[in-house]
This record gives sequence, structure tokens and C-alpha cells, in this order.
Amino acid sequence: AQSVTQLGSHVSVSEGALVLLRCNYSSSVPPYLFWYVQYPNQGLQLLLKYTTGATLVKGINGFEAEFKKSETSFHLTKPSAHMSDAAEYFCAVSGGGGSNYKLTFGKGTLLTVNP
Amino acid sequence: SQTIHQWPATLVQPVGSPLSLECTVEGTSNPNLYWYRQAAGRGLQLLFYSVGIGQISSEVPQNLSASRPQDRQFILSSKKLLLSDSGFYLCAWSVIRFRTSGNNEQFFGPGTRLTVL
Repeated sequence: AQSVTQLGSHVSVSEGALVLLRCNYSSSVPPYLFWYVQYPNQGLQLLLKYTTGATLVKGINGFEAEFKKSETSFHLTKPSAHMSDAAEYFCAVSGGGGSNYKLTFGKGTLLTVNP
Repeated sequence: SQTIHQWPATLVQPVGSPLSLECTVEGTSNPNLYWYRQAAGRGLQLLFYSVGIGQISSEVPQNLSASRPQDRQFILSSKKLLLSDSGFYLCAWSVIRFRTSGNNEQFFGPGTRLTVL
């Protein structure tokens, strides 16, 4: 079975500061990893994804994430936070086997950006 | 390009009333379709998914049901709503085709906010 753990249900940063949202996963097969963003009362939007190949993945809005197999991590970073980054962020994993048709989501991290 | 629609956007219903939420996808064929619920502070809960017309998999026993009458239409229903059915309902689609492929990137609709009073 797959699982995702997002450390910190709420992260608060100042505008211009580094954003770091943590995600650890467990998977018995090579994982496909995703970060989604959700703004209030909206659906989820894909920020970036890791499938195969380069372990540093760049996404939209200046975000990037690095797949570290040895640490089973896929942390999301952005060098300089902007007020518009305030939202909830979800890490997710998918893979083969019985759960092939599903995404397993973390519980989400709410990002607050202070002026 | 592909688009996904959900309606209504918001809904306020009394306890015990029926429910029907609709989701349609355009621009793709034979998508996998999903219903999720977000209750306050509880993350995303997968309710149902469908890999084809008439094929519904239920993830949790509950007061809800799902149907897929057409290839790109997915409906979430209830005969009698409970207070606990309140939440934000999201429909999503993906195109994962083979059981050995794990790239299940999903695309989400705008959601329906359901309040049961």
C-alpha cells in the first residue's frame, strides 16, 4: 500500500522568504509523485510532477521539487514567497499494482504568506 | 483541449432531501472518472471511481452512490442527505490505461460546495 505524509498542516512564511513544504511517501513500486495546489473554493491544480528521469522537477509559479529516493521524499520549494502563493498544497503518489487507478494524497499543508 | 465541468457550483439542501451532482468531461475519450469529498479539515477522501460506462468502484460505505450513464458523464447521488454529507465535492479525470502504468495524473473540476441544513 502507498501512503503520503506531509509534515506540518500549516506553514507560515513572510513575503520574499523561502517556502519549503515537506512530503514523504512510501511505495513498494517506483512512484509517480505530484504536487497540487488548491485556492479557496476551487479545484486542485497540478503544480508539478515526477515520473522518471531528472530528479529535480520544475513547475508553475516558480515552484520546484526534488525526488530523493534514498530519503523517500519529494519536498516542494520556492525561493521567494509571494502573497499569491497562499493556498493549500497537496502531495500525492501513484504507482502500479492494485491501486493503479488511484492517487494517494497527503492531508495537505496550508501555506500562509505574511506581508 | 480537455475541460471538466461540475454543477451546481453551490447547493444548500435540507436533511433528508435527495441529491444529484453532475460532472462532465470534454475533449477526451474513455477517461477514468473520480468523485472526492473534502470535509472541513479532513483532506481529500476518494468516494468513487469509474474506469468505464457502468463500472463503479466504491471506496467507502456511505449514504452516497455514483453512476456513469455516458462515457464522459459521472453523477453523484443520494436518496436522503445527512448533515455529515456537507462538504466540497470534487470530480476528476485521468487517462491511465494500463494496470502496469502508474502515472495517474488527475485533472480536477471546479467543485461543488454542498451544505446540508
